[in-house]
Amino acid sequence: AQKITQTQPGMFVQEKEAVTLDCTYDTSDPSYGLFWYKQPSSGEMIFLIYQGSYDQQNATEGRYSLNFQKARKSANLVISASQLGDSAMYFCAMREGLEGYQKVTFGTGTKLQVIP
Amino acid sequence: GAVVSQHPSWVICKSGTSVKIECRSLDFQATTMFWYRQFPKQSLMLMATSNEGSKATYEQGVEKDKFLINHASLTLSTLTVTSAHPEDSSFYICSALASSGSDEQFFGPGTRLTVL
Repeated sequence: AQKITQTQPGMFVQEKEAVTLDCTYDTSDPSYGLFWYKQPSSGEMIFLIYQGSYDQQNATEGRYSLNFQKARKSANLVISASQLGDSAMYFCAMREGLEGYQKVTFGTGTKLQVIP
Repeated sequence: GAVVSQHPSWVICKSGTSVKIECRSLDFQATTMFWYRQFPKQSLMLMATSNEGSKATYEQGVEKDKFLINHASLTLSTLTVTSAHPEDSSFYICSALASSGSDEQFFGPGTRLTVL
């Protein structure tokens, strides 16, 4: 079974609009961390946001927020006020366990294109 | 912020030759580094976890004799693709975990390997 599922291969959003990128995960470990990364065409992985399984509040970082629904095992990324520079691949990832050395598993990604 | 560099950023080699890729943490010490490969339009797949001063831990299906990993210092890990073949052509990305206790992985910019 896939540990991280991103069902949207591609998404379009109008500039200045908000967009939600879906991510569901599968784990039996009560301790885990969820990440979102952005990968522009240049290839580097840019960390966006992190949510720990015990965090009570949804994580937010500027225009990024993570809609964490623990019972549904979903961790959707919301980007508000989209900008042209947001066009990129977006990967959801999970680390089972809360220690940094534990491996991170990535989803298949969603390609976001922001339309002027 | 923490910076991870990779060298070279791209390399083209002939089939049968070996290629070494370096991953350096520039402004922090990293006891743990991770090596990923990414095929075009696909996700990152963890190849191995590299710990300073010890043998790397390889993921299932990754040939350790083909992908030699050396983590000789707290700031440098190398991946050597031995006897490279066209199917080894891929984007190789490293990440480093800060020794100071941060849970975040800092990614390098990636190395694009093309084997002719």
